[in-house]
Amino acid sequence: GENVEQHPSTLSVQEGDSAVIKCTYSDSASNYFPWYKQELGKGPQLIIDIRSNVGEKKDQRIAVTLNKTAKHFSLHITETQPEDSAVYFCAASGGAGGTSYGKLTFGQGTILTVHP
Amino acid sequence: EADIYQTPRYLVIGTGKKITLECSQTMGHDKMYWYQQDPGMELHLIHYSYGVNSTEKGDLSSESTVSRIRTEHFPLTLESARPSHTSQYLCASSEYGAGLQETQYFGPGTRLLVL
Repeated sequence: GENVEQHPSTLSVQEGDSAVIKCTYSDSASNYFPWYKQELGKGPQLIIDIRSNVGEKKDQRIAVTLNKTAKHFSLHITETQPEDSAVYFCAASGGAGGTSYGKLTFGQGTILTVHP
Repeated sequence: EADIYQTPRYLVIGTGKKITLECSQTMGHDKMYWYQQDPGMELHLIHYSYGVNSTEKGDLSSESTVSRIRTEHFPLTLESARPSHTSQYLCASSEYGAGLQETQYFGPGTRLLVL
């Protein structure tokens, strides 16, 4: 089955700096890669996603890049703010017909702390 | 905000008790999921459903059971709770999209403590 590795496990930045979180996946059939943000006491919330037919996607201060050949994808947050502090998860999902279709495999999570 | 709800939010219960964690969504989604989130943060899929009367076990073995009698409702039951069941349980749902993975929306979670 799919295996997703996420690094780093913790990331501390100063307000205004950029933050980058990286993930690798093992199943070349995976074609959907969402990123979730989880705040304390809440469930994960989707912040951005990318499909395998796209190499990069941006939404204001957040961007995701995908390298299918190398099987890795990254989350980039620019101009970080204290409210960006949370746990971030990457995930991967397989394509139709595969045994992992419709199921997300999550990375281990990254605790991001943005210092004012 | 996703329209997916979980009750109770917190539960402290003694060993051997039967518990049911409730999950409901008002988005009409066919697919629903249960995840267990351990103290180290990682989420593990324990059950999923593609629709009414469909239930499958996930990647992480679990002693819990689920049912899907109505589209909007996906309860999880532990017949006899043990301290090893202490964890956070997250419910999620998504639309069924042929050939495409749709976004999963998560509920707020139930934090379970078994004494």
